[in-house]
Amino acid sequence: DADVTQTPRNRITKTGKRIMLECSQTKGHDRMYWYRQDPGLGLRLIYYSFDVKDINKGEISDGYSVSRQAQAKFSLSLESAIPNQTALYFCATGSTGTLLTDTQYFGPGTRLTVL
Amino acid sequence: DQQVKQNSPSLSVQEGRISILNCDYTNSMFDYFLWYKKYPAEGPTFLISISSIKDKNEDGRFTVFLNKSAKHLSLHIVPSQPGDSAVYFCAASKYGSRLTFGEGTQLTVNP
Repeated sequence: DADVTQTPRNRITKTGKRIMLECSQTKGHDRMYWYRQDPGLGLRLIYYSFDVKDINKGEISDGYSVSRQAQAKFSLSLESAIPNQTALYFCATGSTGTLLTDTQYFGPGTRLTVL
Repeated sequence: DQQVKQNSPSLSVQEGRISILNCDYTNSMFDYFLWYKKYPAEGPTFLISISSIKDKNEDGRFTVFLNKSAKHLSLHIVPSQPGDSAVYFCAASKYGSRLTFGEGTQLTVNP
């Protein structure tokens, strides 16, 4: 079984609709992240959470919100989807290593298309 | 501002030859650097990392070099194999903080 799972894997929706992307992990990591990938722009951080009571904005949080329901669950919401939110979305988890560094482990991604 | 840059969107090499992927960064506070590999329809997977106290880290066919004075790191793959064809992302972080990723380089290894 995959350590980091994302649902749905693909979603097509219309402008103005509310969308929720879900992420679950079995790695026991305390840190969780949401990224989006766009061609030529790499991976950009949307939100991150270092534990259940901690939520932080990333580089591109406008138009998104998150909820950390439990250590293992971190969901991303688009309250009113717009076409430029069409992208590939990745959830990731991380733990601190001996140098407090943060190697992250990614889910398989959700391809979201907003028409 | 783009603190981590991969200036080559794509690279093509012959099987058995060396692949060299490059990455530049601007933030001198970065102290940990990673390379991730991404296949289509999959999430990125961790490949290799290096801390700023080292200038080289090797793992099998993969070696990462760090030149702190030039704020440059590179990933060498020797020998390259067709299965290495993927998008490679470099990433950097400051002590215990979040990662900043580059734009990615598409590597194609031709048989």
